[in-house]
Amino acid sequence: AQSVTQLDSHVSVSEGTPVLLRCNYSSSYSPSLFWYVQHPNKGLQLLLKYTSAATLVKGINGFEAEFKKSETSFHLTKPSAHMSDAAEYFCVVTPTVLSGANNLFFGTGTRLTVIP
Amino acid sequence: NAGVTQTPKFRVLKTGQSMTLLCAQDMNHEYMYWYRQDPGMGLRLIHYSVGEGTTAKGEVPDGYNVSRLKKQNFLLGLESAAPSQTSVYFCASSPLAGGSYEQYFGPGTRLTVT
Repeated sequence: AQSVTQLDSHVSVSEGTPVLLRCNYSSSYSPSLFWYVQHPNKGLQLLLKYTSAATLVKGINGFEAEFKKSETSFHLTKPSAHMSDAAEYFCVVTPTVLSGANNLFFGTGTRLTVIP
Repeated sequence: NAGVTQTPKFRVLKTGQSMTLLCAQDMNHEYMYWYRQDPGMGLRLIHYSVGEGTTAKGEVPDGYNVSRLKKQNFLLGLESAAPSQTSVYFCASSPLAGGSYEQYFGPGTRLTVT
């Protein structure tokens, strides 16, 4: 079975400080993992994805995530928060080897607030 | 390149009314999806399509119907709207399905059923 747990529903950071959004997953198969960002009243945009290549994945806007199989985690980080990073972030897991269209599992989201 | 577009952006319905949400993509993607987003629940798959003329049920299909008569369009219908269908609806598309293929999302439709 596949599932995703985003450990924090809301994270608040000061501008210029590091960002850490936590995601743990469960998967019966070797997983592919994604982070999507949703700005207010917008659709979801892909930040980065892991598909069994390098475990440290770099994405857009300075974000990166590290796949840790032993910890079943895929935490999202950024060294220095910017005001424009304020948004909702979703962690998503899907089994790499299965091609079915109904195999994406979304976390419940983490709302990031950036304080000036 | 418009990507994925959704019509309308907002709609208010009364209980029992019907409506159709339109999704269009210009990326020649085979797969299309309809999700609903509710507070604290992430996105849940309503229906999806693996190609023109084919549709399948997702996690929460009850109360909805879909059609994919053209490859670029995916319609979501509510035959008799209920307050429980108040939600934000997202359409997405992907070239294929499976781990390495990201989905591209539309901007969403905010539906309120009174």
